[in-house]
Amino acid sequence: DSGVTQTPKHLITATGQRVTLRCSPRSGDLSVYWYQQSLDQGLQFLIQYYNGEERAKGNILERFSAQQFPDLHSELNLSSLELGDSALYFCASSVAAQGAGELFFGEGSRLTVL
Amino acid sequence: KNQVEQSPQSLIILEGKNCTLQCNYTVSPFSNLRWYKQDTGRGPVSLTIMTFSENTKSNGRYTATLDADTKQSSLHITASQLSDSASYICVVSEASGTYKYIFGTGTRLKVLA
Repeated sequence: DSGVTQTPKHLITATGQRVTLRCSPRSGDLSVYWYQQSLDQGLQFLIQYYNGEERAKGNILERFSAQQFPDLHSELNLSSLELGDSALYFCASSVAAQGAGELFFGEGSRLTVL
Repeated sequence: KNQVEQSPQSLIILEGKNCTLQCNYTVSPFSNLRWYKQDTGRGPVSLTIMTFSENTKSNGRYTATLDADTKQSSLHITASQLSDSASYICVVSEASGTYKYIFGTGTRLKVLA
């Protein structure tokens, strides 16, 4: 158990809809990272938050947005969903703002868009 | 451009055999290199982390090596088990101001009985 909690584990929705994925980092970790993993693909970095503020941005679509709340949990919002958005979405946390620390991953949220 | 390349893309071996996975990187300046194991549909789990000054690090049957001069790392799995079937991901951190994590696309290992 990494200590990173993601909900929901599975989500099935239709094209055009909007969903919210939630992540609770490990106790004491201030950084939250979001990654997308499509079928048989590598992990694609979406966005990072550190202590409530956006720290780095990757290949995140304009239809996607995220935030980190004062209690350090984070939410990834996906809107106007398309079939190609079907993927595993992972959250990871670390204690540091920068990528020198250990990354701990959650078990992911599997999104299926029909 | 900072990149991490892994080979082979996939590998099938028989239970009990050894195997070696490769990771080449162009990340500069270099901070550290990690190997993660990702079971299908699960989150990646860290196996080893190595800094510039470390050449070898072991975690049970997993041994990682690092040659910072040639920018190559390998992960050697000894006496493979069915539970080793997974994707193995090499992640390199750059030591610039942003300290980004650069992910390889992984090697998918299948261990057969």
